[in-house]
Formats: sequence, C-alpha cells, structure tokens
Amino acid sequence: KQEVTQIPAALSVPEGENLVLNCSFTDSAIYNLQWFRQDPGKGLTSLLLIQSSQREQTSGRLNASLDKSSGRSTLYIAASQPGDSATYLCAVPTGANSKLTFGKGITLSVRP
Amino acid sequence: NAGVTQTPKFQVLKTGQSMTLQCAQDMNHEYMSWYRQDPGMGLRLIHYSVGAGITDQGEVPNGYNVSRSTTEDFPLRLLSAAPSQTSVYFCASSSVGDTQYFGPGTRLTVL
Repeated sequence: KQEVTQIPAALSVPEGENLVLNCSFTDSAIYNLQWFRQDPGKGLTSLLLIQSSQREQTSGRLNASLDKSSGRSTLYIAASQPGDSATYLCAVPTGANSKLTFGKGITLSVRP
Repeated sequence: NAGVTQTPKFQVLKTGQSMTLQCAQDMNHEYMSWYRQDPGMGLRLIHYSVGAGITDQGEVPNGYNVSRSTTEDFPLRLLSAAPSQTSVYFCASSSVGDTQYFGPGTRLTVL
C-alpha cells in the first residue's frame, strides 16, 4: 500500500527565504506526482504535476523535482512571500487511474 | 467554465438523517472522486468513478453511496448520518492520469 509522508508538519520562515518542502513515498512505481496548495477553509489548488518520466517542473517561483528511485519529491519556493502561507500537499495516484494517496501536508507560515 | 462545483457549502444533520452532497464539473472529465478531510488523517478517498455508469470504492466507503448517470454529475449520498461522518468533503475531477481539479468543499456536521 502506498504511503506518502511530508515532514515537518509545520514550517515558519521569514519573508524572502528560499525554501524546500519534502515529500516521500514508499512505492516508486508511480504514474505521476502532484503538488497542491490549500488555503484555510478552501479547496485544493493544483500547483504542479510531474509525470514519472520527468525530473522537474517549474511554474513561476515554484520548482518541483521528482526522484522515483529514491521515492522523493521536493517543492522549491524561491523568495518566499507572506502570500505563500498555506498548507502544501503532495499526492501520488494508484496506477494510471487517478486514485490519489495524499501526504498530510506541510503548513507554511511566511513572516513579513 | 465553472470548473468543479459543490453544494451545499455547509450542512448540519442529526444522527440518522440522510442527505446528498452534489458535485458537478463542466470540463468533460472522465474521472471523478470524493474525498473526506479530517484533522490528523489527511485526505482519504471515499468513492470514485472512471466514467458514466462506472463507480468503485475507495479507502473509506462505508456509510456512503454514489452513482454516475452523466459525465458531469457525481453525487454522494449519506444513507444514515453518524457523528463519525462529520468532516469536510471534497469532490475532484480529471482526465485519467492528468491534473486533478478540486471543488470548494462541503463542511458537514452530524449532531
């Protein structure tokens, strides 16, 4: 059974820092990996999706990497801003059929 | 293009009552699913569908029922509500193997 782990559960950084959020998974036979953002009381917003054949995906100040062999993904946020404060979740599908297994998320607070 | 919509946004039920949470998408996605989100437990899959007329169970299906008569709609039915079903419910849709899009959620309290 796939398990997804995100450590630490919470992180507080000063504005302007570059930071890395980690995600690990136990079954490396994944189809893709997706990073989401969730603001308090809101739904999930997709940030990046990395296919299993890719090593990286970039969107603005966000860069996600994937190392299937080691069961790890990282989300890099450059020049963090208070508006980046949210919970960040990673998720992997079971096979190609899109049933997602989620990590419990990292709650990020960026201090002005 | 509304994306994924869910109604109602909030609901309070008494134990034993039944209700239906509505979910609709206008992106012609084959895949739709329901998750519940609980503190300390994260998001867990309840039921999913890979197309009209096809549904299957996820990790926590007990007490819930689904059907998919159209591509657009995927309602979730609570048959006899229990306090353990107090949660936030999210519906999601995608093309198979592609980015999943989530609705804004329904906050359900069962007294």
